[in-house]
Amino acid sequence: AQSVTQPDIHITVSEGASLELRCNYSYGATPYLFWYVQSPGQGLQLLLKYFSGDTLVQGIKGFEAEFKRSQSSFNLRKPSVHWSDAAEYFCAVGARSGAGSYQLTFGKGTKLSVIP
Amino acid sequence: KAGVTQTPRYLIKTRGQQVTLSCSPISGHRSVSWYQQTPGQGLQFLFEYFSETQRNKGNFPGRFSGRQFSNSRSEMNVSTLELGDSALYLCASRKGTSGNQETQYFGPGTRLLVL
Repeated sequence: AQSVTQPDIHITVSEGASLELRCNYSYGATPYLFWYVQSPGQGLQLLLKYFSGDTLVQGIKGFEAEFKRSQSSFNLRKPSVHWSDAAEYFCAVGARSGAGSYQLTFGKGTKLSVIP
Repeated sequence: KAGVTQTPRYLIKTRGQQVTLSCSPISGHRSVSWYQQTPGQGLQFLFEYFSETQRNKGNFPGRFSGRQFSNSRSEMNVSTLELGDSALYLCASRKGTSGNQETQYFGPGTRLLVL
């Protein structure tokens, strides 16, 4: 079965500083990988996704992530954090389960706080 | 293009009651998945419907059920509510079954509080 680990429960950064959120996955085949962001009381917004090809993927809001197969990682980065980036970030792996079904398995999330 | 919509946004129920939540997917999307989010367990997969058929079900008791209609709208039902069912219930839709079409887009969720 697939699994996702986000080692950092809570990260605090200063506005303007760089950010890296870690994600490690376990999956037997080539994974589909995603990062979602959730503001308090809201649903999940897709930041970026990896299916195949270029291992460095660009997303919305200036985020990027790099897929490293050898390390089973898909870390999210942003060069300069804005106060509006404060939210909870979820890494997910997508997997097929037969009969055309497909589900996401999520990490526990990393809460990002931004100091002005 | 309108996103995934969920109704109602908030619900308060008492133990033993039942509840029905509704989800309308993005136009043209054929699959609807449901997830439960709680502080303790995080995001957990409930089930997925594709073309009106349940394709997969997560590890939840039979009190949790769902269905999908011909217009791809979906409902989930929880019977005999327990305090532990208090959660944010998220619906996600995807267009198809290959590659980029498998990206799931989420609605705003329904916050259920069981008293």
